[in-house]
Amino acid sequence: DQQVKQNSPSLSVQEGRISILNCDYTNSMFDYFLWYKKYPAEGPTFLISISSIKDKNEDGRFTVFLNKSAKHLSLHIVPSQPGDSAVYFCAARETGANNLFFGTGTRLTVIP
Amino acid sequence: DTAVSQTPKYLVTQMGNDKSIKCEQNLGHDTMYWYKQDSKKFLKIMFSYNNKELIINETVPNRFSPKSPDKAHLNLHINSLELGDSAVYFCASRNRGSSYEQYFGPGTRLTVT
Repeated sequence: DQQVKQNSPSLSVQEGRISILNCDYTNSMFDYFLWYKKYPAEGPTFLISISSIKDKNEDGRFTVFLNKSAKHLSLHIVPSQPGDSAVYFCAARETGANNLFFGTGTRLTVIP
Repeated sequence: DTAVSQTPKYLVTQMGNDKSIKCEQNLGHDTMYWYKQDSKKFLKIMFSYNNKELIINETVPNRFSPKSPDKAHLNLHINSLELGDSAVYFCASRNRGSSYEQYFGPGTRLTVT
């Protein structure tokens, strides 16, 4: 049973525009959320995170929004750059647990 | 300087063989993990391990066993390989005392023929 879902397998955006990647979860015990970026033939690399006590966290061009009531989070990339083209994974941590639950990823393509 | 490394990067082997994948981290982290990414690109936890505790995902067959010779290494040994074991395996590490972010290795693509 997949507790973290990324329903859009792919997204294409023009360079300079905003990219919005979405993630939904089902487990109300999740208290920390992370976004990872993955290039082909490499491991996922940490991008940005947010605690469940916040609704927004910003780091440069990257902003993560959390809507706890809707069990939804999103990653905004503004402005999008060709180097942002990668697969983005949403992940979540359950309170007291040691591991992360991952979504299936969204492939972002930024068109120059 | 590689933080989390895995060897080999590619592994092709036949059904029934036993193989190992090695993982090393030089970050001084106290917890290491193995994940499996299947054909549907789903990253699923297999094991988490620190020097006191091994937590096994109950869906992992007992043909898979993690072995940790020291704090910086967590190797994955697989017995009697099956076709369904073909996947990309990722090692990761974290420092439990600091943050929830895990640092991943580059992955090992295992192909069982």
